[in-house]
Amino acid sequence: LAKTTQPISMDSYEGQEVNITCSHNNIATNDYITWYQQFPSQGPRFIIQGYKTKVTNEVASLFIPADRKSSTLSLPRVSLSDTAVYYCPLRPNNAGNMLTFGGGTRLMVKP
Amino acid sequence: AAGVIQSPRHLIKEKRETATLKCYPIPRHDTVYWYQQGPGQDPQFLISFYEKMQSDKGSIPDRFSAQQFSDYHSELNMSSLELGDSALYFCASSLLGPEGTDTQYFGPGTRLTVL
Repeated sequence: LAKTTQPISMDSYEGQEVNITCSHNNIATNDYITWYQQFPSQGPRFIIQGYKTKVTNEVASLFIPADRKSSTLSLPRVSLSDTAVYYCPLRPNNAGNMLTFGGGTRLMVKP
Repeated sequence: AAGVIQSPRHLIKEKRETATLKCYPIPRHDTVYWYQQGPGQDPQFLISFYEKMQSDKGSIPDRFSAQQFSDYHSELNMSSLELGDSALYFCASSLLGPEGTDTQYFGPGTRLTVL
């Protein structure tokens, strides 16, 4: 069963780059890696998605090694508004498209 | 860009009452997912629909049912409400591509409080 492991929490300061790593040893061969950001009492917000190597958009970069057993979300120059929980949910192997959320990473950005 | 719409945003019910939550997916999305997030917990998958047919079922109590209508909106019906049903309920929609490639976009959620 696909399962993810992330650090429970991370602290950073405004303007710094933050890297959050997610381990997913049993990721399905055809599954994409997707990261979400969630603020309290709000729905998870899509950040970035990729299959392998590196993907970059206007808010983040996603690094995926060749074995795809982990991925790293990189947030450049964080601000206070980036304080949130970050998830890298996966789909269960050969069992549908639903997302399985493991414990996310609570990022605290300090001034 | 249009997002997923959920209504109501807040709902307060008494034990043993019923509740209906509605979800309006992003236009042209064909798949709807329902998730439940209890206080301090991670979102948990309940049920999903693709082209108006149930596609997957998660940890959804028998007291709950859902359907997707011809206009692709979905409703989650909850009966005999219990205190433990108090949670945030999220709907997500996607345009289903080859398995593993659809991106789910979440709505703002409905906060259900059972007293």
